[in-house]
Amino acid sequence: QKEVEQNSGPLSVPEGAIASLNCTYSDRGSQSFFWYRQYSGKSPELIMSIYSNGDKEDGRFTAQLNKASQYVSLLIRDSQPSDSATYLCAFTGANSKLTFGKGITLSVRP
Amino acid sequence: DVKVTQSSRYLVKRTGEKVFLECVQDMDHENMFWYRQDPGLGLRLIYFSYDVKMKEKGDIPEGYSVSREKKERFSLILESASTNQTSMYLCASSLTLMNTEAFFGQGTRLTVV
Repeated sequence: QKEVEQNSGPLSVPEGAIASLNCTYSDRGSQSFFWYRQYSGKSPELIMSIYSNGDKEDGRFTAQLNKASQYVSLLIRDSQPSDSATYLCAFTGANSKLTFGKGITLSVRP
Repeated sequence: DVKVTQSSRYLVKRTGEKVFLECVQDMDHENMFWYRQDPGLGLRLIYFSYDVKMKEKGDIPEGYSVSREKKERFSLILESASTNQTSMYLCASSLTLMNTEAFFGQGTRLTVV
């Protein structure tokens, strides 16, 4: 089983819609979870981190963590064309590795 | 602002050469990472280091080694470059391993011919 799986993409949503990005992980010892955004030709940058079960909101972004089901998701409300990028989930496992998913490409149509 | 600087943006090397990729961070971070990024494969961890002179293998360490003689510098070494090591290499650093953001360098596009 792969350590982290992201829902297949690419994902295309109209401007103003909610984009939902999902990620599952296999390491039950994982403690820290992150969502990174990567624009084409650029390096990843952190947009959200979440450490405990439940929701965490930051502006238009909401991260959701469910450790029992081993998934983490990212909701982007009122999607904007500037949100078009690749989104990478990542987690720090019990062995302290920072592991990334393959990423999902989001396209927001004007 | 945290700054992670990689020594080269683009690099072209010949098969069999020994290649050094350098990474320097200026925020006294404990941890440093080397990843490679390939289309369809995402970011894959090569090696990481949580302290000076300490290193841990990541998911794809074969054909690579690392060196961390000083806290701010983490070097990735391709012992004998091969064409399948053509990739984008990304260095990152973080304050602690568990709960803090990793900051990335600008990346090095390595082509092995």
